[in-house]
Amino acid sequence: GAVVSQHPSWVICKSGTSVKIECRSLDFQATTMFWYRQFPKQSLMLMATSNEGSKATYEQGVEKDKFLINHASLTLSTLTVTSAHPEDSSFYICSARDMGRGVYNEQFFGPGTRLTVL
Amino acid sequence: SQKIEQNSEALNIQEGKTATLTCNYTNYSPAYLQWYRQDPGRGPVFLLLIRENEKEKRKERLKVTFDTTLKQSLFHITASQPADSATYLCALEDSSASKIIFGSGTRLSIRP
Repeated sequence: GAVVSQHPSWVICKSGTSVKIECRSLDFQATTMFWYRQFPKQSLMLMATSNEGSKATYEQGVEKDKFLINHASLTLSTLTVTSAHPEDSSFYICSARDMGRGVYNEQFFGPGTRLTVL
Repeated sequence: SQKIEQNSEALNIQEGKTATLTCNYTNYSPAYLQWYRQDPGRGPVFLLLIRENEKEKRKERLKVTFDTTLKQSLFHITASQPADSATYLCALEDSSASKIIFGSGTRLSIRP
């Protein structure tokens, strides 16, 4: 149980285009999903916290108009990188919390999406 | 300022030995701390969670300790195997904001 999927697993796009990444909790409901970005040999940096039915909370320095997050249901959150540029190339990872597991619950991570902007 | 530090960027040890990884934090008061494993090109996988009132937690060959006075957690892998080679991340929850913050990770290599 507690599986999180991401789609696509990798994407290559031209500079200036927009890319949408989906994050799904497959066998549990997630009121909260998190989006992280990871550059090579670096740790995960939290970009935003996504709550179902409300606006995402962005970390300092993350442009909300560039990284659009939608959490329309308890099993789906999407991250859209708008007008992507080469510096947006990174590994994007989502995670979800299982709302049924109580206070001390771990996050379940998706497999990540490798974005390359040419 | 708040920091989570994993002192060793990389650690190389001989197969069969015990690997010990360190995680230190400052200006946090976490209710619990977690350890994850991450393989290249993959998302992190949860390993263990230890609560502030627990000194030690074990799972098979893994052991985690949590010293809230020292603000430190140690992660041990006993009888290490080459398959244990990966990056290990500690993480704690910023209770004021309900979000998990990760350390920089330690890349562990177990040589046969």
